[in-house]
Amino acid sequence: QEKVQQSPESLIVPEGAMVSLNCSFSDSASQSIWWYQQHPGKGPKALISIFSNGNKKEGRLTVYLNRASLHVSLHIKDSQPSDSAVYLCAVRKNTGYQNFYFGKGTSLTVIP
Amino acid sequence: EAAVTQSPRNKVAVTGGKVTLSCNQTNNHNNMYWYRQDTGHGLRLIHYSYGAGSTEKGDIPDGYKASRPSQENFSLILELATPSQTSVYFCASGDGGQGAGQLYFGEGSKLTVL
Repeated sequence: QEKVQQSPESLIVPEGAMVSLNCSFSDSASQSIWWYQQHPGKGPKALISIFSNGNKKEGRLTVYLNRASLHVSLHIKDSQPSDSAVYLCAVRKNTGYQNFYFGKGTSLTVIP
Repeated sequence: EAAVTQSPRNKVAVTGGKVTLSCNQTNNHNNMYWYRQDTGHGLRLIHYSYGAGSTEKGDIPDGYKASRPSQENFSLILELATPSQTSVYFCASGDGGQGAGQLYFGEGSKLTVL
């Protein structure tokens, strides 16, 4: 079974800071890697995904994937109080069915 | 925007009672999923479905059944609820394609078993 580990568990930053979240996974054959954002009392919402080694940028978000080191990171530029949420890393695998394995999440608080 | 609706949003049940959590999606997605989320754990897959009439066991299926009577609806059934099943349950849908394969989640159903 895929193991997905996230760090740090929690993070508190001032508004405008650059935020870096980390995720490691156990199988280099994993398919796409997703980052989800979850606000309190809400369901997770997809933010950005990556499949190939390298980086991908969408707005204030940049994701980096290194399959050799089994590591992916999410960077949030110019963080806002509305970015305060739990961020989940999810690894998609096609093991006879389309399944996603989730990390425990990183709780981000952005202080105005 | 893809829509997944869960009901009830909150439920209190007694040990040994039957609980049914319902999920409806208007995305016309083939795949639907039930996850549970507990402190200290990530989202864990209970059951999933490829389409109407199909249900498959996920990673933690014990104590749960599922039903997919139509493309839109997917239910999670706890025949004999236990306190260990107290959790927040999320339904999700996905197109199951070979692309990135985004999941769309509902808002969650908080279940407390006393």
